[in-house]
Amino acid sequence: QQQVKQSPQSLIVQKGGISIINCAYENTAFDYFPWYQQFPGKGPALLIAIRPDVSEKKEGRFTISFNKSAKQFSLHIMDSQPGDSATYFCAAIQTQGGSEKLVFGKGTKLTVNP
Amino acid sequence: EPEVTQTPSHQVTQMGQEVILRCVPISNHLYFYWYRQILGQKVEFLVSFYNNEISEKSEIFDDQFSVERPDGSNFTLKIRSTKLEDSAMYFCASSDKATLSDEQFFGPGTRLTVL
Repeated sequence: QQQVKQSPQSLIVQKGGISIINCAYENTAFDYFPWYQQFPGKGPALLIAIRPDVSEKKEGRFTISFNKSAKQFSLHIMDSQPGDSATYFCAAIQTQGGSEKLVFGKGTKLTVNP
Repeated sequence: EPEVTQTPSHQVTQMGQEVILRCVPISNHLYFYWYRQILGQKVEFLVSFYNNEISEKSEIFDDQFSVERPDGSNFTLKIRSTKLEDSAMYFCASSDKATLSDEQFFGPGTRLTVL
């Protein structure tokens, strides 16, 4: 119940295309959903995050879509660029009810071809 | 721009040996974390640390693991007797706020290989 399932494991997109990464969770107590971006040789860095009281959050070319009833959320990268090539992790946090727990997905390796 | 640093970048050790992984968090941060990522698997929370005490720890963080802030800058993770399954990338993170929904800043990681 503490898992976050992420797909696909890897994704290849042409420059200018849309990259879509999906995540699903089971624990309805999760109330914060961040996405992290990791470049080779670097640690994960917070990219964008959403709370379940909104269905969408957009920051530049990056959009999170959130479907609370389906317990799914996804990252959309519009106009994908070669510089977006990285590993992306979705995560979920349970902030209420005592100790906080941060659970990561397995990651998606995105390659954007020029 | 301030960043979290970790040393060494790669540590190779024999099974049963002790290892110490070192982290220098961002200087004004007070909340510190260790995570690990076994190759091909998800990033897993190990422990959080504040005010010289462990705040939270996961089931992974058993008696073989310990953390310490020996001085004002370093934050260390010690594994007393390494096992093959401890081979992973270990990430340190720090934050200036207590809640996980506030941004944590991750270091580049230490790859631990246990032979």
